[in-house]
Amino acid sequence: EVQLLESGGNLVQPGGSLRLTCVASGFSFSNSAMGWVRQAPGKGLEWVSVFSAGGGNVHYADSVQGRFTISRDNSQNTLYLQLNNVRDEDTAVYYCTKARGMVVLTARLHFESWGQGTLVIVSS
Amino acid sequence: QSVLTQPPSMSAAPGQKVTISCSGSSSNVGYNLVSWYQQFPGTGPKLLIYENSKRPSGIPDRFSGSKSGTSATLGITGLQTGDEADYYCGTWDTSLGAWVFGGGTRLTVL
Repeated sequence: EVQLLESGGNLVQPGGSLRLTCVASGFSFSNSAMGWVRQAPGKGLEWVSVFSAGGGNVHYADSVQGRFTISRDNSQNTLYLQLNNVRDEDTAVYYCTKARGMVVLTARLHFESWGQGTLVIVSS
Repeated sequence: QSVLTQPPSMSAAPGQKVTISCSGSSSNVGYNLVSWYQQFPGTGPKLLIYENSKRPSGIPDRFSGSKSGTSATLGITGLQTGDEADYYCGTWDTSLGAWVFGGGTRLTVL
C-alpha cells in the first residue's frame, strides 16, 4: 500500500522559511515522479511543483517559482519542499503526491496517490 | 478564477446519475489528458479517473470519464450518500507550462 506521510508544517512569519518533508513507502520511490499540491483553507486545489524520479525535469507554479525548491533523497525515500520568503497567500495544507511514471511527461501527467497533508500558516 | 471551469455545486438523489463538466481550452483539456480527483472533508484527494477515461484499480465502474474537444466529463451512476465529496478535474496547460485544476464541484446526494 502506498503511503505518503508529510510533516514540517508550522506557523511561520512572512518572509520566513520552512522545509516540508514527505516520507514515502509501499512503492519504488526512486522510480517515481513526485510533486506537491496545496489547498488554502476553504479553497480548491493548487498545483505547486512536480519533478522526475532522477530529480530532473522540474516544474513550478508561477506563484512559487524562485521561492520554493523541490528536492528528494532517494536513499531515504523522502521528498522535500523548501519554502523561502513565504507570503500570507502561501497559507495552505500542502499535499505530497506520487505522480505518474518515472519521468514527467506533461501530456500524460496525473497524481496517483496523495498524503494527508501538512498545514503551513503564514502570519505575523 | 480557475483555468478549468467546473460547476461549483451539484446535487442529485441516491440512485440517480450525475455528470460533472470540466471546460477548458485548446492548450489544456483540448491537448492533454485529463484526470479527476475526489476529496472528502479533511482528507487528501484520491485519483478517480486518469488519461480521460481510465479507472485506477479499486475504483468502481460507477465512475466514468470522457472527453470531447475542450471539455471533459465525470459521470457517476447509482449515486450513494458516500459519494458526497468535492470533485476536481486537472490537466497540464501547455501554454502556461503548468498543471491546472478546475475550481472543484461539491456534490450533494440527498
